[in-house]
Formats: sequence, C-alpha cells, structure tokens
Amino acid sequence: AQSVTQLDSQVPVFEEAPVELRCNYSSSVSVYLFWYVQYPNQGLQLLLKYLSGSTLVKGINGFEAEFNKSQTSFHLRKPSVHISDTAEYFCAVSEGGGTASKLTFGTGTRLQVTL
Amino acid sequence: NAGVTQTPKFQVLKTGQSMTLQCAQDMNHEYMSWYRQDPGMGLRLIHYSVGAGITDQGEVPNGYNVSRSTTEDFPLRLLSAAPSQTSVYFCASSYTRGRTGELFFGEGSRLTVL
Repeated sequence: AQSVTQLDSQVPVFEEAPVELRCNYSSSVSVYLFWYVQYPNQGLQLLLKYLSGSTLVKGINGFEAEFNKSQTSFHLRKPSVHISDTAEYFCAVSEGGGTASKLTFGTGTRLQVTL
Repeated sequence: NAGVTQTPKFQVLKTGQSMTLQCAQDMNHEYMSWYRQDPGMGLRLIHYSVGAGITDQGEVPNGYNVSRSTTEDFPLRLLSAAPSQTSVYFCASSYTRGRTGELFFGEGSRLTVL
C-alpha cells in the first residue's frame, strides 16, 4: 500500500526567505506525485504534479518540486515566499498501476509566512 | 463555470440523525470522490465512483453510503451520525478515469455531530 509522510506539521518563515516543504512516500510500484495547497476556508487546489519525464517540476505561484526516486522524496521549494503563500500544503501519491484517482494524502504542512 | 459544488457548507446534527451531503460537478468528470479532513490526519478517502452506477469504498467507508445515478451528482449519506463523524468533508472530481487525473475540489462541508 502507498503512504505519504510530511514530517513538518508547521513551517514558519519570513517573507522573501526560501522555503522547502518535505515529502516522502512509500510504494511498491511506480507512482504519480502531487502537491496541493489549501488556503483558509477553501478547498484544495493543485500546485504541481509529477507523472513522468523531468524530475524537476514547476508549478503555479513560483513553486517547484523535485522527484527523487532513490530517496523516495518529492520536496516542494520556493526561492522567495510571500505573505500570500501562507496556507496548508498537502503532498499526495497515486500508484501508477491503479485504475482510479485514489490519491493518498499526507497529513499536511502549515506554512506561516511573516514579515 | 461552477466546478464542484457542495451543499450545505455547514451543518449541525445530533447523534443518531441522518443527513445527505450533496455534491455536483458540471465538468462531465467520470471520477468523483469524497474525503474527510481531520486535524493532524490529512485527507482520507471515504468512497469514490468511476462512473454512473459504479461506486467503491475508500479508506474510511464505515457509517457512510453513496450512490451515483448521474454523472453530475455524487451524494454522501450519513446513516446514523456519530460524534466521530465531526469533520470537514470534501467532494472532488477528475476529468479522467485514470490515476493521473488532477482532482478538482469543492469548498467543503463542515459537519458537527453533538
């Protein structure tokens, strides 16, 4: 069975500083990987996804993530954060051999950006 | 374009009551699903459907029932509400039957069971 681990429940950072949100997964088959963002009192929206090809994936709002198969990781990064990036971020995995979009989500990382 | 619409946004129930959370999408998506979100536990899949007339259980299906009579609608029924079902519920749909599809989420329904 697939699983996702987000070790950091909260990440405080100052505006314009870089940030990395960590995500590790486990699966016995090939996977597809996703990062979603949830702003307060809203649903989740897709930031970026890795399906195949280049291991460096660029998403919306200046975020990017790198797929590392040997370390089973998919860390999310942004070189300079803004106050508006304050939100909860979820990493998710879907097994490549599956027949439906049964995403397994991590427990989330709350990014708090302050001045 | 409305996307995924959930109703109601807020609901308070007493233990033992039943209710239905409504979910509708206007994107002609085959795949629809229900998740619950609890603090420190992320999102957990309750039930999902890959098309009209087809439903299946997710990770936490007990106490919930679903049906899919049309492509657009995927209601979630709580048969006899319990305090453990206090949560935020999200409906999500995808434009592809496959596992690669991006999920489009509704804004959530916050349920409190007293």
